[in-house]
Amino acid sequence: GQQLNQSPQSMFIQEGEDVSMNCTSSSIFNTWLWYKQDPGEGPVLLIALYKAGELTSNGRLTAQFGITRKDSFLNISASIPSDVGIYFCAGQATTDSWGKLQFGAGTQVVVTP
Amino acid sequence: EPEVTQTPSHQVTQMGQEVILRCVPISNHLYFYWYRQILGQKVEFLVSFYNNEISEKSEIFDDQFSVERPDGSNFTLKIRSTKLEDSAMYFCACSTRTGANVLTFGAGSRLTVL
Repeated sequence: GQQLNQSPQSMFIQEGEDVSMNCTSSSIFNTWLWYKQDPGEGPVLLIALYKAGELTSNGRLTAQFGITRKDSFLNISASIPSDVGIYFCAGQATTDSWGKLQFGAGTQVVVTP
Repeated sequence: EPEVTQTPSHQVTQMGQEVILRCVPISNHLYFYWYRQILGQKVEFLVSFYNNEISEKSEIFDDQFSVERPDGSNFTLKIRSTKLEDSAMYFCACSTRTGANVLTFGAGSRLTVL
């Protein structure tokens, strides 16, 4: 079956440091999405990517759609305490229908002052 | 900012009981979804719904599950006879026609089956 691997599983960083996480897939994706989930809440969209090689920023967040269409990364620059949360990659494989997303297992980010 | 509203936020039920989880999607969105997240696990696709019918369902979405859009605004997920393993966070999501892959999620309904 299709697999989507996200790493690292968790990161403990100091305020001001940069954070990087990535996802790889066994299938070709036509969309990559990055979500953040706070405790007890639903995933909130951070960045959407639609084209191989696409590099998109949203404030201190930058994400890229890998040229092989099987991977994506998310960078957070100059982390602040409110960056704490779980970050999920999600994507739609070319063989799946609209809106049927596969999610990574998440990267838990902890920021210490 | 438009949001997806889910009720109840938490429901505790006995095994074998029927449960209905409700969602009010964003008004101009046309595609509707249910996902679930078992504690500590990945978010998993359950079902997609468009034009008043199911577009696709996962293996998880067996005969015990059903979805409905009864009145043009609410979107419901019914579990006919709950099992212990149905305990999870259930997320409703929706998307527009043009941004069909960009899903907006609700805050979720936590279901606990005893």
